[in-house]
Amino acid sequence: SAVISQKPSRDICQRGTSLTIQCQVDSQVTMMFWYRQQPGQSLTLIATANQGSEATYESGFVIDKFPISRPNLTFSTLTVSNMSPEDSSIYLCSVGLGAGVYEQYFGPGTRLTVT
Amino acid sequence: DAKTTQPNSMESNEEEPVHLPCNHSTISGTDYIHWYRQLPSQGPEYVIHGLTSNVNNRMASLAIAEDRKSSTLILHRATLRDAAVYYCILRSKGGSQGNLIFGKGTKLSVKP
Repeated sequence: SAVISQKPSRDICQRGTSLTIQCQVDSQVTMMFWYRQQPGQSLTLIATANQGSEATYESGFVIDKFPISRPNLTFSTLTVSNMSPEDSSIYLCSVGLGAGVYEQYFGPGTRLTVT
Repeated sequence: DAKTTQPNSMESNEEEPVHLPCNHSTISGTDYIHWYRQLPSQGPEYVIHGLTSNVNNRMASLAIAEDRKSSTLILHRATLRDAAVYYCILRSKGGSQGNLIFGKGTKLSVKP
């Protein structure tokens, strides 16, 4: 298993500003993922961030809005840029472990409110 | 990845077994059946996964129909801590490695 921490746990931001969310894992992992969970909704994958390569974004998400860094095998950041109230969500990082069909382990999430 | 269908909500009494159904009639031969759950104010938590045979672990059991078009997650003795949203997800071994496609899941309530 993996233990994942995220910072900050929550934040209230003004529209037009940016917030960087940090994700730290207690072991080295190749695959990390960023999800968004809008209020009352299920999770949606934003991007896959594998160390040593550019992040791969899902349809509807772009690098200019959600830049991601993956400097090493235990850490990643997601920035939510030029925020609007529609960006108010819980942002979660997760890691994939195991070969083949693997399990994903999720962080506790960052609750973002944009006013 | 194929789609799954789950009831929106279910209720259970504490210390009784719970059977959470999932229909996946368009499942392909390479699709694994995964279950995750999300407790209130937490990230999702892996529960169990299987391909064809029934699976057991310390958290739950997974019963897979012979035609694989449906499956059931079994919590043998529900506790208050098991109150969560349970997600049934299909993932192809050869498919996109990261993309867990979360549906709406089943919200399980456990009554004391």
